[in-house]
Amino acid sequence: KQEVTQIPAALSVPEGENLVLNCSFTDSAIYNLQWFRQDPGKGLTSLLLIQSSQREQTSGRLNASLDKSSGRSTLYIAASQPGDSATYLCAALDSNYQLIWGAGTKLIIKP
Amino acid sequence: KAGVTQTPRYLIKTRGQQVTLSCSPISGHRSVSWYQQTPGQGLQFLFEYFSETQRNKGNFPGRFSGRQFSNSRSEMNVSTLELGDSALYLCASSGDTGGLYNEQFFGPGTRLTVL
Repeated sequence: KQEVTQIPAALSVPEGENLVLNCSFTDSAIYNLQWFRQDPGKGLTSLLLIQSSQREQTSGRLNASLDKSSGRSTLYIAASQPGDSATYLCAALDSNYQLIWGAGTKLIIKP
Repeated sequence: KAGVTQTPRYLIKTRGQQVTLSCSPISGHRSVSWYQQTPGQGLQFLFEYFSETQRNKGNFPGRFSGRQFSNSRSEMNVSTLELGDSALYLCASSGDTGGLYNEQFFGPGTRLTVL
């Protein structure tokens, strides 16, 4: 059974720092991995989608990597801003065609 | 292009009642998936519909059901509500035929409270 873990559960950093969020999965047989952000009381916003054949995806200050062999994905945020404060979730599409979610990392960027 | 819309945004029900939630996908999207989000269990996949057919279902009891109409709008129904059904229910849509293989676009969710 696929399990997705995100560590740490919470992270607080000063504005301007570069940071890395981690996502690990137990079964490497995934079709893709997607990163989202969720603002309090709101739905999810898709950030990056990495297909299983890809190693990384980039969008603006965000870069996500995928290493299936080690069961890991990382989301790199460059030059963090207070507006980046949110909960970041990763989800893996497993071999049973189900999206399995991590519990999220709550990120706070201090001005 | 309008995003995914969900109605109602908030709902309060009592145990034993049933509830129907609605989701309108982005225009042109034919895949709609549903998720339950609770503080204890996090996000869990409920089911996915494509062209009026359920393609996959998560590990939820039969009290949770759904359907999709010819215009791709989808409804989710929960019968015999229990306190543990209190949650944020999210739906997402995606384009093409790839469904969950493609990027998912989420609605704002329906907050269901069961008393």
